[in-house]
Amino acid sequence: DTAVSQTPKYLVTQMGNDKSIKCEQNLGHDTMYWYKQDSKKFLKIMFSYNNKELIINETVPNRFSPKSPDKAHLNLHINSLELGDSAVYFCASSHRGPGANVLTFGAGSRLTVL
Amino acid sequence: GDSVTQMEGPVTLSEEAFLTINCTYTATGYPSLFWYVQYPGEGLQLLLKATKADDKGSNKGFEATYRKETTSFHLEKGSVQVSDSAVYFCALMRAAGNKLTFGGGTRVLVKP
Repeated sequence: DTAVSQTPKYLVTQMGNDKSIKCEQNLGHDTMYWYKQDSKKFLKIMFSYNNKELIINETVPNRFSPKSPDKAHLNLHINSLELGDSAVYFCASSHRGPGANVLTFGAGSRLTVL
Repeated sequence: GDSVTQMEGPVTLSEEAFLTINCTYTATGYPSLFWYVQYPGEGLQLLLKATKADDKGSNKGFEATYRKETTSFHLEKGSVQVSDSAVYFCALMRAAGNKLTFGGGTRVLVKP
């Protein structure tokens, strides 16, 4: 059973389209994240939710809208896709609290915008 | 703000060679430090971590020691294998938060 699963694994679409990536975790974690990895492998956090509440929102264009229907799911919707949105998007989850909280990552969703 | 700097790759080694990947950080307070590894086509996996000064994290033959005086967390392995070929990420997390800040990643290629 996959701990953090993302769908789809690959997504190819045209500029201007709207697309969604889904993420689910079965670890009982209360915090979920979206990270973006660019073509040079640089990883940057985009959003984090704790118990369905947004707690981290980095400087991400408002074309990106995360939605957390419950604490086991965090979906990412992207409107009006641009070429620069091409990247690998990683979902992750963890417990929240003091100490070193280890993030568990999904396998990634590779988005290609043509 | 918080930042992590690690040596740029790629690092190319022969099997059984010694591997070192340098990592230094800038952060207020006493962050926890991590090394994550990304094998080709996969997500990131935790390799090891350390939560306070002088702690040593270790796993799968890899080691890293939290050095507060030099704000460093260098990764070492005494004898690498072809299966260690991957991208290695150094990261920090502040004690008060859940935000993991990554370095730029170092690609390691081990040749037989």
